[in-house]
Order: sequence, then structure tokens, then C-alpha cells
Amino acid sequence: AQTVTQSQPEMSVQEAETVTLSCTYDTSENNYYLFWYKQPPSRQMILVIRQEAYKQQNATENRFSVNFQKAAKSFSLKISDSQLGDTAMYFCAFMMIGGSQGNLIFGKGTKLSVKP
Amino acid sequence: DTGVSQNPRHKITKRGQNVTFRCDPISEHNRLYWYRQTLGQGPEFLTYFQNEAQLEKSRLLSDRFSAERPKGSFSTLEIQRTEQGDSAMYLCASSSKTETQYFGPGTRLLVL
Repeated sequence: AQTVTQSQPEMSVQEAETVTLSCTYDTSENNYYLFWYKQPPSRQMILVIRQEAYKQQNATENRFSVNFQKAAKSFSLKISDSQLGDTAMYFCAFMMIGGSQGNLIFGKGTKLSVKP
Repeated sequence: DTGVSQNPRHKITKRGQNVTFRCDPISEHNRLYWYRQTLGQGPEFLTYFQNEAQLEKSRLLSDRFSAERPKGSFSTLEIQRTEQGDSAMYLCASSSKTETQYFGPGTRLLVL
């Protein structure tokens, strides 16, 4: 069974600085997706970034980028130029490709606070 | 392009009552998922539909839980004989062939 681990329950960063959130996962599968989702306080889950396991190039979306290390089963999220609106719970998630299994497996989340 | 919508947004019920939640996915999405999220935890998978077919159910989905997607569009999740342990946020998500799941705002259930 696949598992996702986020080892940092809470983190804080000063506005305009850079922060990295950690995620590791365990799977015997070779084809899968990895995601980072953001859940602001009392608001809905929003997709931040997605990585296909077969792609060696790390995904980037504006200020958000990932460091995907397939052999190490590591998938960290880097947020550059942090903004107050980045304050949220961040969830790392795994999804196997193919078959009937289509569900996301989430970590427990990292609560990020951006301080002015 | 409207996103995933869920109704009601909040539900308070007494133990033993039945409740039903509705999810309307993004219109062209053929896949629909239900998750449950308790405080301080990540969402946990409950069940998954492709069109009207329910393809997978989690062990979390006890006999008191039932989900339907009768015409492959909206879905309902019913909980019978609610228990205090059912208190949680119930999230719905949908996806197309790209497989990225987009989430609704959730229904927060409180069982007294």
C-alpha cells in the first residue's frame, strides 16, 4: 500500500522569503502522479502543482517549484517570494496511474504561516 | 467554467438521523470522488465513480454509507443512523482524462 509522509506539521516564513516543504512517499509502482494541494483556512482545496513520475524535469508554476527525487521517493515544494496569501495547509498527495484505482493518497499536511 | 459545488455547506444533525449530501462536478468531468477529512488530517478516500459506475469503495465506507451517481452527473452521499464519529468535512472532487482532481468546498457535518 502506498503511504505519504509530511514530517513538518507546522512551518513559518517571513514574507518575501523562500520556504521548502518536505514530502516522502512509499510505493512499489513505477507510474504515478504527485501533487501539492493548498487548503487556506476555511476555504477549499486548491491544486498548486503536479508532477508526472515519468518526467525527469521538475514541475514549476510561477513561484512554486518542486524537487522530485524518484529514487529517493522525495517530493518537496519550494515557495519563493512568500506572500501572506500563501498561508494555508499544504498537502502532498500520490495517485497511481491506470487500473481502477483513481484515488489520491494524502499526507497529514504542513501548516504554513507567512509572517509580515 | 463553474467549479465543483457541494450542498449543503454545513449540516448539524442528531445522532441516529440520516443525512444526504450532494455534489455537482465540473460539467465535462466523468470521474467523481468522495473523501472525508477530520480536523488536522489529510483527506481520506471514500469512493470513486466513473460516469455512473461506482468503481471503488474504501474500507472506511461502512454499511451505513451509500453513494450514487445515477446519470453520471451529480452524486449523492447518504449516511444512515449517524454517529458522533461521522462528524467531519466531506469533500467531493472531479476529474477528466487529465486525472487532476478538482475539489469542491466541502460539506461540514456535525453530529450531536
